[in-house]
Amino acid sequence: TQLLEQSPQFLSIQEGENLTVYCNSSSVFSSLQWYRQEPGEGPVLLVTVVTGGEVKKLKRLTFQFGDARKDSSLHITAAQPGDTGLYLCAGESGNYGQNFVFGPGTRLSVLP
Amino acid sequence: DTAVSQTPKYLVTQMGNDKSIKCEQNLGHDTMYWYKQDSKKFLKIMFSYNNKELIINETVPNRFSPKSPDKAHLNLHINSLELGDSAVYFCASSHIPGQRWGVTDTQYFGPGTRLTVL
Repeated sequence: TQLLEQSPQFLSIQEGENLTVYCNSSSVFSSLQWYRQEPGEGPVLLVTVVTGGEVKKLKRLTFQFGDARKDSSLHITAAQPGDTGLYLCAGESGNYGQNFVFGPGTRLSVLP
Repeated sequence: DTAVSQTPKYLVTQMGNDKSIKCEQNLGHDTMYWYKQDSKKFLKIMFSYNNKELIINETVPNRFSPKSPDKAHLNLHINSLELGDSAVYFCASSHIPGQRWGVTDTQYFGPGTRLTVL
């Protein structure tokens, strides 16, 4: 069974601080996706990383896929209250490529 | 326009009842999914359908039966509801199976259905 772990589980920081959250597994994934979920809503895709070592930037968010495609990190620069939410990573695998395994999430709270 | 919609948004019912949750996507996607998110926010895939054909059934009890009348719809019927079925159920859709064609894909999630079994 493929499992994804995320750390930290909870993170509360002040506006303007930087932070990094991690997504780790012992399994190799063909791609890894990061989502943000807000209360009462479904997850919304932020980014998909495919190639080992790949780095993608989305404004103040930087995503990195590990060289071995087993782990990923999300770095937020100068966090803002609008970044508050549940950050989920999901690994894609399976014979048809459509089996997504989700991590337990990191709940981020950015205080003004 | 709503891309992936689910009804109802909230569902409160008694243990032992049978209920259905409907999902529709207007994105023209080939693949649809059902996920269960428990109280700890852990999101777990239940089913995956591609062109109305079941691809993934992740050890879900037989009381859960997905039905896909066409590519745009994937409904979830639950028989003999139990307390442990209480959760938020998300429907999602994507275009094509990723690995099969060597490309990755994007899932779009519905707003969720909060099921409470009393």
